[in-house]
Amino acid sequence: EDQVTQSPEALRLQEGESSSLNCSYTVSGLRGLFWYRQDPGKGPEFLFTLYSAGEEKEKERLKATLTKKESFLHITAPKPEDSATYLCAVQAPGTASKLTFGTGTRLQVTL
Amino acid sequence: SAVISQKPSRDICQRGTSLTIQCQVDSQVTMMFWYRQQPGQSLTLIATANQGSEATYESGFVIDKFPISRPNLTFSTLTVSNMSPEDSSIYLCSARGEKYEAFFGQGTRLTVV
Repeated sequence: EDQVTQSPEALRLQEGESSSLNCSYTVSGLRGLFWYRQDPGKGPEFLFTLYSAGEEKEKERLKATLTKKESFLHITAPKPEDSATYLCAVQAPGTASKLTFGTGTRLQVTL
Repeated sequence: SAVISQKPSRDICQRGTSLTIQCQVDSQVTMMFWYRQQPGQSLTLIATANQGSEATYESGFVIDKFPISRPNLTFSTLTVSNMSPEDSSIYLCSARGEKYEAFFGQGTRLTVV
């Protein structure tokens, strides 16, 4: 059974204080690993897809990396508007596009 | 990316009644999905909505409780039947993009009293 574990559950940073969120996964052959941002009361917003170990993707202050067992979402010099829950999900081959989600990391960035 | 519109955005319903949630995508998509997100928890897949055929349900979800329709490539509905307070949750519609990433609607916040 595919499993996704995210850590920490919650993270509080000061503005400008860089950090990383972790997503560990167990899947029988990874078809893709996905990062989403979810604001309260809204649906998840797609951020990145990573397909193979060693791959990296960047968007503004966010950078996602992937190894064979985990992915990191690095947040550089965060701002208060980066506050949200960040979700990680994996897709295995032959699962008809089914995504298995982790429980997320709640990030709060303060002034 | 696809833009997904869901309605209603929220509702408060009496137990024993049913609610139908609509999902409209602004372009034709191959696959559509329905997820549930219970308070403070992550997303759980309810079913895959198949165009022109019966939906494919995940373990723990059944058609009698969550009937799904998908009459074409841009529209789907999820009905939550015979509701109880345990059905209070956020229900999310999702559509698959070109490179397997899924896009989501804003969700329907359902409260059953």
